[in-house]
Amino acid sequence: QVQLQQSGAELVKPGSSVKISCKASGYTFTSYDMHWIKQQPGNGLEWIGWIYPGNGNTKYNQKFNGKATLTADKSSSTAYMQLSSLTSEDSAVYFCATPLGAYWGQGTLVTVSS
Amino acid sequence: DIVLTQAPLSVSVTPGESASISCRSSKSLLSSKGITSLYWYLQRPGKSPQLLIYQMSNLASGVPDRFSSSGSETDFTLKISKVETEDVGVYYCGHRLEYPFTFGSGTKLEIK
Repeated sequence: QVQLQQSGAELVKPGSSVKISCKASGYTFTSYDMHWIKQQPGNGLEWIGWIYPGNGNTKYNQKFNGKATLTADKSSSTAYMQLSSLTSEDSAVYFCATPLGAYWGQGTLVTVSS
Repeated sequence: DIVLTQAPLSVSVTPGESASISCRSSKSLLSSKGITSLYWYLQRPGKSPQLLIYQMSNLASGVPDRFSSSGSETDFTLKISKVETEDVGVYYCGHRLEYPFTFGSGTKLEIK
């Protein structure tokens, strides 16, 4: 069955970067986009963008241009999202998900604090 | 960006009763291919969202048929018949018509 296993919680300092991962299994990783979604505490969902692991193509929500960078490693069926120049506004749970949101990872909590 | 407005903010339902949640779009979600790009998700407490409905009215795999959805190009309704305790959580509508994809702000369903 399809599974998306995300990396663990991160506590990072303001101004730094963090890279979180999403390991896919149960389907052909290179055939489907991987989407990333942000959820701030007590708030709704915000779409960040997607990457197509087959060729590395990406599409970003303009709001996250320069903030998020999506990559993928075909050899390990793992998608990555790097968040840079972190501020308190980046503290959130980040999810990876397959197209249409049929499958979601368990979420990765990123806390930005000095 | 397309704005999705959900109502009510919260709803309290007696088990066995029905509940309806509204989602209104600032733009038609009917694509040039004749598909209405409206999706419904449920996020149970402490869990990841799960897909309930895709393309306005299609039940996702494994979702009970107590859930149904209908609508026009801009106004949509999720109906939950015979509510059960496992239906507790926050319901979100979302679209994938154009970039950026956006979500409604959510409707919290509680059990009386």
